[in-house]
Order: sequence, then structure tokens, then C-alpha cells
Amino acid sequence: AQSVSQHNHHVILSEAASLELGCNYSYGGTVNLFWYVQYPGQHLQLLLKYFSGDPLVKGIKGFEAEFIKSKFSFNLRKPSVQWSDTAEYFCAVRRGGADGLTFGKGTHLIIQP
Amino acid sequence: GAGVSQSPRYKVTKRGQDVALRCDPISGHVSLYWYRQALGQGPEFLTYFNYEAQQDKSGLPNDRFSAERPEGSISTLTIQRTEQRDSAMYRCASSLEPSHGEKLFFGSGTQLSVL
Repeated sequence: AQSVSQHNHHVILSEAASLELGCNYSYGGTVNLFWYVQYPGQHLQLLLKYFSGDPLVKGIKGFEAEFIKSKFSFNLRKPSVQWSDTAEYFCAVRRGGADGLTFGKGTHLIIQP
Repeated sequence: GAGVSQSPRYKVTKRGQDVALRCDPISGHVSLYWYRQALGQGPEFLTYFNYEAQQDKSGLPNDRFSAERPEGSISTLTIQRTEQRDSAMYRCASSLEPSHGEKLFFGSGTQLSVL
């Protein structure tokens, strides 16, 4: 069965620190990859997505993610985090031909001022 | 409205009762998805509609769960004879086009508690 693994369930960083959240998936075929974010009190929203082409994708608010096919990974990065980045981050995968997304368990990120 | 609207925001029910959860997608959005999220987990796909047609219900856990979208807009997820294990956040999402990978817009969810 397809699965999505997020390595860290809780991450605490100070402002201006660099961020990398890991995401690995188990499906070997064509995939679409996503990062969704949920800020406190808000609904899930799309941060960035990868379908094809340049494996380095840039999203909103300075986030980027790199698709490494050989590692089945799609890690999320940001060079310098802000307090407002405190949120829960979900990696998600859609395999080719499927309808729904398979989400990871999420990473709760806390940025300390 | 401007976003996906779900109601009720919270639902507390007794085991064995039926519940109906409503989702009003963004106007004009063709596709509508239902997800369930248990505490400490990511959202889990339940079912999906294009217009009024249910395209995929493979994620529905058992036959107590059903969903409909009769006019291709508002959708209702119904859980019959609720059990405690049904307690979760139920999330609805919509997208503009019926193509895989389109950006999903999520509602705020319905938090269901079965006592």
C-alpha cells in the first residue's frame, strides 16, 4: 500500500533558523507531490506542488521543495523561518490515475521568537 | 461564500445515532472531496465527486458511510449507527476542475465526537 512518511512529528526552531522537513513516499510509479500547511485556527491550504519538470519547486512564503526521484523524497525547505511559520505541515502524494491524496501524519512546527 | 463551508463545525452524538455532515464547495468548483482526519494523523481520503457523480468511494471505511451530491454542488456525508471509532475531523475540499492534481481548497472541517 502506498504510504507517506514524515520523519519529524514535532520541530522547534528559533526565528531565522533554516528549515528542512522530510517526506518520503513508497509508491514507485508516476506521482504528484504536495505540501499543505495548516496555520493555527485556519484550514488546510496548498503550499506548493510538483507534477513534472524542474524538480525544485517554489511555493508561497519563501518555501521550496525538491523532488529526488531516486530517494522517493520531497523535502520541504525554507532558508530562514519566521514566527508566523508556526503551523502543521502535511506532505501528500497522488499516484498516477488515483483520485485522492495520501497524506503523511504531519509535522507540527513551532517557531520561537 | 468565498471558501468551502462545512456545517456543523462541531457535532457531538451518542453511539448508534446517525449523523449528516454538510459541505458547500466554492461556487463553480467541479470536484468535491471528503477526507477524515483522526487525532495525530494526516487526512485520509474517503470519497470524491465530479459534478453529481461519485467517482471513487474506495476510501469509505464501511457501508455505514455514504455520500451524495445530488445537484453537483452541496454534498452530504452520512454516517449511520455511529461508533466511537468514527470520532474524527471530517474535512471537505473542492477544486475548480476535475483533473488530478488540481489545487484543493479545504473547508474548516466538522469535528465529530461519538460518545
